[in-house]
Amino acid sequence: NAGVTQTPKFQVLKTGQSMTLQCAQDMNHEYMSWYRQDPGMGLRLIHYSVGAGITDQGEVPNGYNVSRSTTEDFPLRLLSAAPSQTSVYFCASSYVPGDSYEQYFGPGTRLTVT
Amino acid sequence: AQKVTQAQTEISVVEKEDVTLDCVYETRDTTYYLFWYKQPPSGELVFLIRRNSFDEQNEISGRYSWNFQKSTSSFNFTITASQVVDSAVYFCALSDPNTGNQFYFGTGTSLTVIP
Repeated sequence: NAGVTQTPKFQVLKTGQSMTLQCAQDMNHEYMSWYRQDPGMGLRLIHYSVGAGITDQGEVPNGYNVSRSTTEDFPLRLLSAAPSQTSVYFCASSYVPGDSYEQYFGPGTRLTVT
Repeated sequence: AQKVTQAQTEISVVEKEDVTLDCVYETRDTTYYLFWYKQPPSGELVFLIRRNSFDEQNEISGRYSWNFQKSTSSFNFTITASQVVDSAVYFCALSDPNTGNQFYFGTGTSLTVIP
C-alpha cells in the first residue's frame, strides 16, 4: 500500500492564481481531511469528508474548496491564492468515525504564494 | 469547545536524559480520544498512540510512556533515556466522535536532544 499520497510536494503560486492539491489514499478509508500547518499554530483543519459525496468545513475553510467524488481521492482547490495561504498542507485519512481512529497523514505539500 | 494546550514550545535535553512533554485538553464530552504524533525534521507526521476517554491505564512502549489523567485533563508523554533520533516536534491531539471525528491539535512541542 502506498498509504496517503500528495502531489505536488512543492508549489509556488502568484497571488490570484488557482490550483488544486491532490490527495489519494489506497486504504479504503472513509474519512479524509485537509490541514494546514503554520509555525506556532499546529495543524488546523480546513475541510473534511466522511465519505464519497459528503464534505464539511473545518476550522479554516475560507479560500478553499473540496469535493469527494470517489473514496480514494480528496482534492483541495485554492480558488484565488493569497500570501496568507502560504503554508504546509497535509492530507489525512482514517476509518469511519464513531470510534475515532488515528489519522494517517500524507507527506505534505509546501505552498508559497508570492 | 475542544482545545488542546501544549505549553512547552521548545525543550532541549542532553542525550540519555528523561523528558516529559505536557498536554492539557478541554472538552465537554465524556467520549473522546487523545493522540500523540511525532513530526521529525523530514516533515512527515507519525502516529504514536491513541487513547480513549474510558481507558486511563498508563501505557509503555519501549522508551515511550504516556500518563493519562482525566482528573487533570492531561495526557503527558515521557521519553526515557532520550536519543538524538527523538529530536522532533511532538503534537498532542483530541478527537471527538460527536463532532465528525475532527482532530484538534495542540501547537506542538519541539524537542531537541543534544548528543
